[in-house]
Amino acid sequence: DTGVSQNPRHKITKRGQNVTFRCDPISEHNRLYWYRQTLGQGPEFLTYFQNEAQLEKSRLLSDRFSAERPKGSFSTLEIQRTEQGDSAMYLCASSLAAGLSGELFFGEGSRLTVL
Amino acid sequence: QKEVEQDPGPLSVPEGAIVSLNCTYSNSAFQYFMWYRQYSRKGPELLMYTYSSGNKEDGRFTAQVDKSSKYISLFIRDSQPSDSATYLCAMSVNYGQNFVFGPGTRLSVLP
Repeated sequence: DTGVSQNPRHKITKRGQNVTFRCDPISEHNRLYWYRQTLGQGPEFLTYFQNEAQLEKSRLLSDRFSAERPKGSFSTLEIQRTEQGDSAMYLCASSLAAGLSGELFFGEGSRLTVL
Repeated sequence: QKEVEQDPGPLSVPEGAIVSLNCTYSNSAFQYFMWYRQYSRKGPELLMYTYSSGNKEDGRFTAQVDKSSKYISLFIRDSQPSDSATYLCAMSVNYGQNFVFGPGTRLSVLP
């Protein structure tokens, strides 16, 4: 399977703990996006990378959130000192920066439950 | 007012019906429009992608964009129970940048 891969699929943690999610994009895609989705809502943009450069960050991305894409391949999203309001599905998507179109291809998501 | 609005449904139709799903938006700068299908507890799956105004057809699916009215539509012909899912519209101003999603419309196609 050469789609977008996310790990872990589900993480349960206690409030105050740190969590990290990993995303492996489609191999030839140079853009990578993180979105957050809560029940009954559409995905909300958090941040995106072109290669290793983080080009845009949402105001939703508080100081407790940090994302990296060290070699322009996989990406990690870390949430420090988790709060119950962080409980959501964290979705990763990738796309080509150039080409016929800029469609986003999503992974299956990483579901976070903060107790 | 949210930037992108959708009727959340649920919308229930009999198998074989034509389904019309719609989004309205407030930002006239949006140029790129997508429709996604999302099954429960799965990631969104791209259905249609259109640029600017006009129609695009792919099998049973037709996407329409009316930029003058800030209104986009997705039509599903000969709907099937397997089409039961949440349908999300998404749009962006610039190529490949931040896409803004609607809240989604939940569709049920009854056999």
